[in-house]
Amino acid sequence: QQQVKQSPQSLIVQKGGISIINCAYENTAFDYFPWYQQFPGKGPALLIAIRPDVSEKKEGRFTISFNKSAKQFSLHIMDSQPGDSATYFCAATPDQAGTALIFGKGTTLSVSS
Amino acid sequence: GAGVSQSPSNKVTEKGKDVELRCDPISGHTALYWYRQRLGQGLEFLIYFQGNSAPDKSGLPSDRFSAERTGESVSTLTIQRTQQEDSAVYLCASSPWTSYNEQFFGPGTRLTVL
Repeated sequence: QQQVKQSPQSLIVQKGGISIINCAYENTAFDYFPWYQQFPGKGPALLIAIRPDVSEKKEGRFTISFNKSAKQFSLHIMDSQPGDSATYFCAATPDQAGTALIFGKGTTLSVSS
Repeated sequence: GAGVSQSPSNKVTEKGKDVELRCDPISGHTALYWYRQRLGQGLEFLIYFQGNSAPDKSGLPSDRFSAERTGESVSTLTIQRTQQEDSAVYLCASSPWTSYNEQFFGPGTRLTVL
């Protein structure tokens, strides 16, 4: 049973455009939602994370929007750049020590110049 | 400071052989996780270590998989009698107690079973 569903599988965006990646979860015990960025041959790196006490979190060009009632969250990349081309993973977990992250299957983003 | 390191970066082995993968976490990080990433898939949790507590082995796919960690340092993941379906990238992550959900990943070991 896939607990975190991520879409789309791949995305092509023009330079300067907005990239939007969506995730949905089922487990209501989840209350920590990070996004990871992974470049080829590298391990995933934490990009931004949100907890359900807020509906939006922004760090630079990256914004997470969170809808608790719909059990959905999304990553928005504003002014997308070729250097943003990577695979993005959403994840979810209960906000407590010792719990593994449950990952979505990833979205491969290509930003064309 | 140094990040999470893993060795080897690549491992090619024959079906039926045993392999050992190594992870050096960030110094001072009490928690250590192993994940498996199959081609085109998300990361699957394998095992979790926290200090000297008993590890959470709930993600290990079979008894051919085992892992050890010495205190809060190095960890090794062992796969016995490897099968072709074990081919994947094995990722290690560590996190500090103060930010227990912020997991820092190593570059992974790409395992290919022929």
